[in-house]
Amino acid sequence: GDSVTQMEGPVTLSEEAFLTINCTYTATGYPSLFWYVQYPGEGLQLLLKATKADDKGSNKGFEATYRKETTSFHLEKGSVQVSDSAVYFCALSDRVRGTGNQFYFGTGTSLTVIP
Amino acid sequence: EPEVTQTPSHQVTQMGQEVILRCVPISNHLYFYWYRQILGQKVEFLVSFYNNEISEKSEIFDDQFSVERPDGSNFTLKIRSTKLEDSAMYFCASSSQGPQETQYFGPGTRLLVL
Repeated sequence: GDSVTQMEGPVTLSEEAFLTINCTYTATGYPSLFWYVQYPGEGLQLLLKATKADDKGSNKGFEATYRKETTSFHLEKGSVQVSDSAVYFCALSDRVRGTGNQFYFGTGTSLTVIP
Repeated sequence: EPEVTQTPSHQVTQMGQEVILRCVPISNHLYFYWYRQILGQKVEFLVSFYNNEISEKSEIFDDQFSVERPDGSNFTLKIRSTKLEDSAMYFCASSSQGPQETQYFGPGTRLLVL
């Protein structure tokens, strides 16, 4: 079945450091891939997405490229800020199943950025 | 910007009681979802809902759970005879197209079963 595996945290970085959070997936069809972010005390917010192979999603300085050959969707940011401290979730939705298909989430990676 | 809202933000209940979690999806969205996140664990899909019926449900979503869209705006999750292990954060989400499209999440309801 479909699944998402993301690197375990917690991750602690200094401000302006480079961030990578690894995410790999298993899917039976042609999934769309997402990164969601959860700030403390808040719900899940879409950070970026990619709907087909080689697409790059980007938002707020974060990027992730849909790599079908390595079944990966790693999240990167060149220079993190304290305000980026949050939990990041990789997710996929598999279009093969059509209407009513479910999202699959990774376990989440907690990021803390220190000044 | 339109957003998904959920009430209550926190709910404490006794084991065996029934709870109803409420959600107001984004107004022009047609697909609705419930997820849960047990503390320290991953977000798990419970159920999706479209055209006034369940589209898909996970194995977690057994007879203890039910969903309803009682009017044009609310989407509810009912948990009958709550158990300790039902303690979790419950997220509602909605999307304009199918689930392969972006799902917009509410802030969640934290349920604690004692």
